[in-house]
Amino acid sequence: SQTIHQWPATLVQPVGSPLSLECTVEGTSNPNLYWYRQAAGRGLQLLFYSVGIGQISSEVPQNLSASRPQDRQFILSSKKLLLSDSGFYLCAWEGMGEEETQYFGPGTRLLVL
Amino acid sequence: KNQVEQSPQSLIILEGKNCTLQCNYTVSPFSNLRWYKQDTGRGPVSLTIMTFSENTKSNGRYTATLDADTKQSSLHITASQLSDSASYICVVNNNNDMRFGAGTRLTVKP
Repeated sequence: SQTIHQWPATLVQPVGSPLSLECTVEGTSNPNLYWYRQAAGRGLQLLFYSVGIGQISSEVPQNLSASRPQDRQFILSSKKLLLSDSGFYLCAWEGMGEEETQYFGPGTRLLVL
Repeated sequence: KNQVEQSPQSLIILEGKNCTLQCNYTVSPFSNLRWYKQDTGRGPVSLTIMTFSENTKSNGRYTATLDADTKQSSLHITASQLSDSASYICVVNNNNDMRFGAGTRLTVKP
């Protein structure tokens, strides 16, 4: 069966510090991968998606970046965090079949102080 | 204006009662519509997914309906349980991308 991991689960970082959040998927190959941010009381905002190794599409301009160094690994990064980067970050993978659906990871709660 | 509007924003019901959550969308063209349940501090979990040709789909006590003509969907929860307390998110897919509603926060009280 497929599983998706995210770490860390929670993170407190000072403004201006770098960021690296990791997401890995098991039990599937060549998945579409997604990074979302969910601000408190708000809906999910798509940040990046990837259809393959090294292929990254960005939905919104920001100081975040994403990379996909391996088929089942998706990394969200920042060189300098802003206060507004605080939020709940979710990674998801998409299965293709009769019913396309996204499977979400457990999320990382980031607090920038 | 968000292309996927959910109502109400929040809802409080007593355990055992039924409730209905609404999702109106303007996304076009339409590929499918999904309802997710998201427990606090956790990732969303898929409840149902419906394509254009489907107008109702059930998953246990959850029943989703879809009217593609009026671009409306509803999620009906029967005999609510305390564990149904969560945010319910409507997501509409138009083949190119997915549009997320802001969610309805449901609280079930004993």
